[in-house]
Amino acid sequence: EVQLVQSGAEVKKPGESLKISCKGSGYSFTNYWIGWVRQMPGKGLEWMGIIYPGDSHTTYSPSFQGQVTISADKSISTTYLQWSSLKASDTAMYYCARQGLSGSYFVYWGQGTLVTVSS
Amino acid sequence: QSALTQPASVSGSPGQSITISCTGTSSDVGSYNLVSWYQQHPGKAPKLMIYEGSERPSGVSNRFSGSKSGNTASLTISGLQAEDEADYYCCSYAGSGTYVFGGGTKVTVL
Repeated sequence: EVQLVQSGAEVKKPGESLKISCKGSGYSFTNYWIGWVRQMPGKGLEWMGIIYPGDSHTTYSPSFQGQVTISADKSISTTYLQWSSLKASDTAMYYCARQGLSGSYFVYWGQGTLVTVSS
Repeated sequence: QSALTQPASVSGSPGQSITISCTGTSSDVGSYNLVSWYQQHPGKAPKLMIYEGSERPSGVSNRFSGSKSGNTASLTISGLQAEDEADYYCCSYAGSGTYVFGGGTKVTVL
């Protein structure tokens, strides 16, 4: 069974750094793209970026380029989303999602990680 | 890269059919037959309902169907049921390895 299990909720202060994770299991981790999606409170889904764990090739949405870093450690089947300096506006639910066999769509989703940034 | 345009809300009575539109540009929806649709219930992760414009994943009811014309994709839900009440999002490939979501549509079953 394919599963994406994300790390737990985080409460941080503005200016702090953060790295959240998404661990894949039940499939060949290196062969499928994994994307990250933001959902701010009461708002819609926003595509942030995507990584191919096989070679760590990464593409970012122009809206998120330079704001976050997506990485992967294929030895432990885990992808990461990190911030170097959080802002209150980073408060949101973050989902990781794995693409399907032919790409272009997200079949499997993590349960989401709620990040709250508040002073 | 702007979000795709969806109506904020659509409603229908049980048994009726409703259609949700998703309008993009010639750089995304219009250029690729790679639109997917997701259903999201409150507090839950999104669920894939349609991919590659009109394909249904295994396990998704055949009451859900997708289509595209020009720069606009559409999701039709026929035989509307109470459990279909949720938020729906379209997503399109936008070239150069990037994707863009629509703003979302709240479906209400009257």
